[in-house]
Amino acid sequence: EVQLVESGGGLIQPGGSLRLSCAASGFTVSSNYMIWVRQAPGKGLEWVSIIYSGGSTYYADSVTGRFTISRDNSKNTLYLQMNSLRAEDTAVYYCARLVNFLGYFDYWGQGTLVTVSS
Amino acid sequence: AIRMTQSPSSLSASTGDRVTITCRASQGISSYLAWYQQKPGKAPKLLIYTASTLQSGVPSRFSGSGSGTDFTLTISCLQSEDFATYYCQQYYTYPLTFGGGTKVEIK
Repeated sequence: EVQLVESGGGLIQPGGSLRLSCAASGFTVSSNYMIWVRQAPGKGLEWVSIIYSGGSTYYADSVTGRFTISRDNSKNTLYLQMNSLRAEDTAVYYCARLVNFLGYFDYWGQGTLVTVSS
Repeated sequence: AIRMTQSPSSLSASTGDRVTITCRASQGISSYLAWYQQKPGKAPKLLIYTASTLQSGVPSRFSGSGSGTDFTLTISCLQSEDFATYYCQQYYTYPLTFGGGTKVEIK
């Protein structure tokens, strides 16, 4: 059974850092396209970052230079390192598996809430 | 970026009703469109991809149609478990973008 479990969210002050984790089971993270998507309170969905099976990474303009996506193949886990956090980064962050290079999301984690506030 | 516009943003309906949600892309996206259902406090769930292909396990009362710029999601006979927010998503090009959502509420 495919499962994605996020962790690492919490309350953080503006300018702070946080690392989110997404532990996968039922499939191999390194063989798939993996993505982070976020949803601000009461808002819609916004893609944040993607890592290709080959290792290439891409970011939304809003997080470029501040966020880093990575994976640990030995742990079958996806990460999102978030630095210089801003109030507008407050959201539930979901990891998801992307079907193909350009595709839709067939499996999602349950989400982890990041609140950036002083 | 391709803008995805959903309408209506919300609707009220009764169990048993036929419900149609529209998604319009700011440029042609062929059939590279997916639909998701999201319930409060839960992750989105894939319903339909390639505009009209039902994801495994999704009830047949859900259907999708369209190509190019105009798409629809239809729920043929609304059930109590279908009250949720629905999102469309294009995967024709990067950045992948979502519609703003349509909340289906109980009348």
